[in-house]
Amino acid sequence: QQKVQQSPESLIVPEGAMTSLNCTFSDSASQYFAWYRQHSGKAPKALMSIFSNGEKEEGRFTIHLNKASLHFSLHIRDSQPSDSALYLCAISGGNYKPTFGKGTSLVVHP
Amino acid sequence: AQTIHQWPVAEIKAVGSPLSLGCTIKGKSSPNLYWYWQATGGTLQQLFYSITVGQVESVVQLNLSASRPKDDQFILSTEKLLLSHSGFYLCAWSLDWGGGAEQFFGPGTRLTVL
Repeated sequence: QQKVQQSPESLIVPEGAMTSLNCTFSDSASQYFAWYRQHSGKAPKALMSIFSNGEKEEGRFTIHLNKASLHFSLHIRDSQPSDSALYLCAISGGNYKPTFGKGTSLVVHP
Repeated sequence: AQTIHQWPVAEIKAVGSPLSLGCTIKGKSSPNLYWYWQATGGTLQQLFYSITVGQVESVVQLNLSASRPKDDQFILSTEKLLLSHSGFYLCAWSLDWGGGAEQFFGPGTRLTVL
């Protein structure tokens, strides 16, 4: 069974900082990797996703996948207070059962 | 554009009472549908998924059941609520791919069991 772990559990950074969130997984045959953001009291919403090893950048957000090291990360450049939320990584393996990590709670203070 | 609605928005129910939560997706034909549960401060846990009308697969046993009576409707229910059922219930849909591609979540139903 797929195991997904996120670190750190929580993070407080100043506005303008670079933020890095980590996700490790157990199944190297996993096919789809995504980061979701969930603001307090709201539903999660997908931020970015990737299928193969490498890096992908969209605006201030960059994701990086290394299947060999079972590591998936999200980097936020120039963090803003509006980025404060719970960040969830999700890993899927082709069986309709994505596995979500417990999340990293991010607070960006002005 | 696809829209996903959940009802009710929130419920306060007594232990032992029945429950029915609903989800409707508009603008997408034959979506894969999912029910998730999230305890306060807890992990998002998939409960059920359905890839076609009338077929529902259970992922975890939480004394809940699900049904898909129509292509665009997914129902979550139980005859007897437990305190442990409290939490945030989310319905989601995804594209037709078993890889569990991007999940589009509804606004959720917040359930409090007393």
